[in-house]
Amino acid sequence: NAGVTQTPKFQVLKTGQSMTLQCAQDMNHEYMSWYRQDPGMGLRLIHYSVGAGITDQGEVPNGYNVSRSTTEDFPLRLLSAAPSQTSVYFCASSYRQNFDAGTEAFFGQGTRLTVV
Amino acid sequence: AQRVTQPEKLLSVFKGAPVELKCNYSYSGSPELFWYVQYSRQRLQLLLRHISRESIKGFTADLNKGETSFHLKKPFAQEEDSAMYYCALSRETSGSRLTFGEGTQLTVNP
Repeated sequence: NAGVTQTPKFQVLKTGQSMTLQCAQDMNHEYMSWYRQDPGMGLRLIHYSVGAGITDQGEVPNGYNVSRSTTEDFPLRLLSAAPSQTSVYFCASSYRQNFDAGTEAFFGQGTRLTVV
Repeated sequence: AQRVTQPEKLLSVFKGAPVELKCNYSYSGSPELFWYVQYSRQRLQLLLRHISRESIKGFTADLNKGETSFHLKKPFAQEEDSAMYYCALSRETSGSRLTFGEGTQLTVNP
């Protein structure tokens, strides 16, 4: 049981390049999310998905695309990288909300992206 | 819209001293509140959640709806508690969509 796996761990891009950050989970979780972590700003939600074929925008979606063709995978695409997208990106997954137990999110180890 | 505020970016205490990490939130409904922790070179992980009313690694947090606060407390800090701590809020109908505070870097000195 690997949990949430993100690839790559590190990436350097040139301005204008595109790339896809991969995220996979093996816990059969319905919910998956992408966050970016910036100093002094905490984690901010980029996009999320409540199940295969369903995605929606979070707080900071501009410049990013997502798709959810399977329950396991939730890739994040940068269409045309900009220096402002330099950040650490985290993928997270969780079960459908259980009001009795709270909803714990399980995080990947992160992808550190630098755009030059 | 919901918001989470952690007023202290950095907090430094000595081993054995009490520690309190502050968290305030704004949300008109009934939120779920969490504390997540990120130890050095490790992934973000859940520390505790208000709905479970549990104590994890000696930490407790009480939801105060009147003051809209969810402060994290530990009576005797340990060096291994040094980490980045995030307070997070989830709306009752939003699944796992979390709104995070800015984070507090806790350093416990020997």
